Amino acid sequence: EAGVTQSPTHLIKTRGQQATLRCSPISGHTSVYWYQQALGLGLQFLLWYDEGEERNRGNFPPRFSGRQFPNYSSELNVNALELEDSALYLCASSQGGASGGPETQYFGPGTRLLVL
Amino acid sequence: GNSVTQMEGPVTLSEEAFLTINCTYTATGYPSLFWYVQYPGEGLQLLLKATKADDKGSNKGFEATYRKETTSFHLEKGSVQVSDSAVYFCALQTGANSKLTFGKGITLSVRP
Repeated sequence: EAGVTQSPTHLIKTRGQQATLRCSPISGHTSVYWYQQALGLGLQFLLWYDEGEERNRGNFPPRFSGRQFPNYSSELNVNALELEDSALYLCASSQGGASGGPETQYFGPGTRLLVL
Repeated sequence: GNSVTQMEGPVTLSEEAFLTINCTYTATGYPSLFWYVQYPGEGLQLLLKATKADDKGSNKGFEATYRKETTSFHLEKGSVQVSDSAVYFCALQTGANSKLTFGKGITLSVRP
């Protein structure tokens, strides 16, 4: 069974540009989470999508946005890039839906974004 | 709010040494607890988990017991290997399908 996949693996942008990161969850998973791992800041929760809806959002500005498609894959968009957006962006998926209990999140390999 | 505190690192051990990595938490409700591992240049892999008090999670020789009375979930391994060199993250989750709250992570280096 394929795991969570992310693309691209690396992305280089300049300040002010927009970045688009993509994630495909494990087959059968409907929930997708995005996390940012910036140097010195640890792992910070960004966004959670389930069944196409945004369910929760971390403490990030509105220029961080995303969406989830009908096939449950997801896209993270970062507008007006700033130098401090340079980080590893990790996507995770879980079974989601009305499971009634905590679901283990499985992570992809990440996209490393560098803003120059 | 929820938080996870991990011991300060990095940690350097010799092969076959005993490993303990401390993790304590603060949470509302009854969290599920996790240890994730990140090998160099890779994403996170789930190492083990426990969903209720006194549960013991185990995998690849690693163990951690959910201690509600001390709000702890310390990671242990009896004999580490060079291949265990990685960054270890303790995390908690409250409620169904909610976000993970991570500790800062600790780097483990095992020398031959």
